[in-house]
Amino acid sequence: KAGVTQTPRYLIKTRGQQVTLSCSPISGHRSVSWYQQTPGQGLQFLFEYFSETQRNKGNFPGRFSGRQFSNSRSEMNVSTLELGDSALYLCASSSQGVDTEAFFGQGTRLTVV
Amino acid sequence: TQLLEQSPQFLSIQEGENLTVYCNSSSVFSSLQWYRQEPGEGPVLLVTVVTGGEVKKLKRLTFQFGDARKDSSLHITAAQPGDTGLYLCAGVMNTGFQKLVFGTGTRLLVSP
Repeated sequence: KAGVTQTPRYLIKTRGQQVTLSCSPISGHRSVSWYQQTPGQGLQFLFEYFSETQRNKGNFPGRFSGRQFSNSRSEMNVSTLELGDSALYLCASSSQGVDTEAFFGQGTRLTVV
Repeated sequence: TQLLEQSPQFLSIQEGENLTVYCNSSSVFSSLQWYRQEPGEGPVLLVTVVTGGEVKKLKRLTFQFGDARKDSSLHITAAQPGDTGLYLCAGVMNTGFQKLVFGTGTRLLVSP
């Protein structure tokens, strides 16, 4: 069974630009969650999608958005990038939701300059 | 505000030593998960504890969930260099919807 795939692995963007990150969950998993990991704040929950609907949302500004497609693949978009958005963005897939085993991808390392 | 505080933040020990990592909160969780993350990788689930007072053993690792379901501990016996990594606890909260809240993390280095 293929694991969770995140693309790209690394990104360098300039302040003010926007970026789209992609996550392909494990086949059959309908829940995809996104997290931001930074040395100062640790792992912070962004949002969760289940069957194409946003079911959960963390405390992030509206510049952070996402969506999920009918094949459960998910994308996360960050607009008007700020230096503080530099982080490792992780996606986790699970069969039903956060209380079931979550499998994480390797993450996308975003650097904003 | 960090809901889950882990201690210690950093731990550097010699191979063969024992250690305990603590995960504390003032909030009640329906369940609690422990993950280990290695550099350049995503976190990997080690165990889920569900019942207050529950103890689970995974080889040299012992996990305990507090009676009130607000805290947890991870004890490693005879640590090995392969145990090196970032240990994260994560609590599942039910606030109308389910949400996973991660702890601040404990970075463990085990030297040969």
